[in-house]
Amino acid sequence: AQSVAQPEDQVNVAEGNPLTVKCTYSVSGNPYLFWYVQYPNRGLQFLLKYITGDNLVKGSYGFEAEFNKSQTSFHLKKPSALVSDSALYFCAVRAPLAGNMLTFGGGTRLMVKP
Amino acid sequence: NAGVTQTPKFQVLKTGQSMTLQCAQDMNHNSMYWYRQDPGMGLRLIYYSASEGTTDKGEVPNGYNVSRLNKREFSLRLESAAPSQTSVYFCASRALGQGGEAFFGQGTRLTVV
Repeated sequence: AQSVAQPEDQVNVAEGNPLTVKCTYSVSGNPYLFWYVQYPNRGLQFLLKYITGDNLVKGSYGFEAEFNKSQTSFHLKKPSALVSDSALYFCAVRAPLAGNMLTFGGGTRLMVKP
Repeated sequence: NAGVTQTPKFQVLKTGQSMTLQCAQDMNHNSMYWYRQDPGMGLRLIYYSASEGTTDKGEVPNGYNVSRLNKREFSLRLESAAPSQTSVYFCASRALGQGGEAFFGQGTRLTVV
């Protein structure tokens, strides 16, 4: 069975500082990895994905994520946080061997303080 | 440019009542999903449909049924609602292809009293 862990329920950073939201996964075979963001009372919005190739992927709103196969991690990063980045962030994984199942982590709330 | 549309947006049910949550996508996607979101639990997959005419159970299917009416529509039915089904429900769709990302509807907030 595939699974995703987001070890931090909440991450607090000051505006202008770099941020990292952690994600680790467990799947059989090579994973497809995704990050989504959810603003209050809204659905999830796609940020970025890793399918293959360069381990560092860039996405929307200045976010990037680094795929680390040996550590089975896919941490979300941004060099300089904005107050408007405050939201709920979800990591998700899909493994080709698992068909079409898309599995999400529990979510991490990011709070960026002015 | 509607994307994924869910109806209704809000619903209050009494225990034992039934209802159907509707979902439609206009992106010609093959795969569709139903998730529920509960505080501290993230998103949990209820059912999914890889293509028209097929459905499969996800992580938490008990108490739910689904119908893939056609390529556009994927409905979720609660036959006899229970307070434990109070949640926010999200429908999503995904294009054919291994690396395709999912697109989500705005959610249905369901309260069972």
